[in-house]
Amino acid sequence: GQNIDQPTEMTATEGAIVQINCTYQTSGFNGLFWYQQHAGEAPTFLSYNVLDGLEEKGRFSSFLSRSKGYSYLLLKELQMKDSASYLCAVRVGWDGGATNKLIFGTGTLLAVQP
Amino acid sequence: GAGVSQSPSNKVTEKGKDVELRCDPISGHTALYWYRQRLGQGLEFLIYFQGNSAPDKSGLPSDRFSAERTGESVSTLTIQRTQQEDSAVYLCASSDLRHIYEQYFGPGTRLTVT
Repeated sequence: GQNIDQPTEMTATEGAIVQINCTYQTSGFNGLFWYQQHAGEAPTFLSYNVLDGLEEKGRFSSFLSRSKGYSYLLLKELQMKDSASYLCAVRVGWDGGATNKLIFGTGTLLAVQP
Repeated sequence: GAGVSQSPSNKVTEKGKDVELRCDPISGHTALYWYRQRLGQGLEFLIYFQGNSAPDKSGLPSDRFSAERTGESVSTLTIQRTQQEDSAVYLCASSDLRHIYEQYFGPGTRLTVT
């Protein structure tokens, strides 16, 4: 089976740092993705990790440990506009394009407070 | 350029009726995906099209669901004999084979079955 776990909700303060964790147990693994979704809007791509380690992109960083089935998304210098759901997703197959199925977690709703 | 578009944006239908949802991917994107998102839940993979390859239909929840795509253009998702549990936002995404990891999502169709 496929299982992706993330906390349901988190609260953080404007200007602070927050870490959103994601653990996965999937039948295959070919990359982990983070998406941001504001209420009532479509998800937008944030980051992609396929090798172990940290990927940094501005205020957002994402970390992956394949041996532990673990990833986190780190948001620095939080802004009010960062209030959104953060979705962790695993690509469970890759066959040169034959399949690119993503399995999503249920998302973490982050509330940034003044 | 234009992003992924979906129509209708909202659809209210009576239980037992058939519905057809449309997705126009970004021009040149060879891959197209359909997802379902129930209220407060993560994204649930439905089906994936890649060029002329056989689609990955492994996420379709029942035989009432089907999807078609002509070449690398428009796709339609059809739900026959709708049930109340089909109420959800149906999201379409597309990606370029060269950057297959980044899926661009449309705004979704909110389906309500009464």
